[in-house]
Amino acid sequence: RKEVEQDPGPFNVPEGATVAFNCTYSNSASQSFFWYRQDCRKEPKLLMSVYSSGNEDGRFTAQLNRASQYISLLIRDSKLSDSATYLCVVRGSARQLTFGSGTQLTVLP
Amino acid sequence: NAGVTQTPKFQVLKTGQSMTLQCAQDMNHNSMYWYRQDPGMGLRLIYYSASEGTTDKGEVPNGYNVSRLNKREFSLRLESAAPSQTSVYFCASSELFSTDTQYFGPGTRLTVL
Repeated sequence: RKEVEQDPGPFNVPEGATVAFNCTYSNSASQSFFWYRQDCRKEPKLLMSVYSSGNEDGRFTAQLNRASQYISLLIRDSKLSDSATYLCVVRGSARQLTFGSGTQLTVLP
Repeated sequence: NAGVTQTPKFQVLKTGQSMTLQCAQDMNHNSMYWYRQDPGMGLRLIYYSASEGTTDKGEVPNGYNVSRLNKREFSLRLESAAPSQTSVYFCASSELFSTDTQYFGPGTRLTVL
């Protein structure tokens, strides 16, 4: 079983739609959680950290459920510029980052 | 600030050839990393350097060596390239090993024939 699992998609949604991505992790000792964004043929960039209480950054909301070992990312009012691959990332007890394989999003005009 | 830079951007090697991928950061970060990214696999850590003068193996170190030349530079060497090493290689840096944000370079696309 992969340490971090994501639905690869692709998710194709119209502009203005709300879309949600899910991620599960296998190591219950994981300490920190993140979403990174990767544009096509570019490097990954941190989108947001994920806190136990849930957190929001503009149109983006991230949530963590430690009991179920589950992380989510919600994007509201999708823009064309949101088209990218979204990587679920977990920091384990060894402090290294483990990356999911990513969920591809295409926002259609 | 250029951030994290990598050279070369593209490289084609024949099986058995050697090469060194170069990485430099100008953010005065203590920690640096080398990842590879393969389709459907996500990024996997090859080696990392938590601080200048130290290096440690990551998840997939076999077939690679690294050198932390100074605080700015961290190189990755393939001594005898194999087709299984065809991948996109990313270098990253962070202020400290436990710092949340890692900053990535633009990547090197390597093909081994």
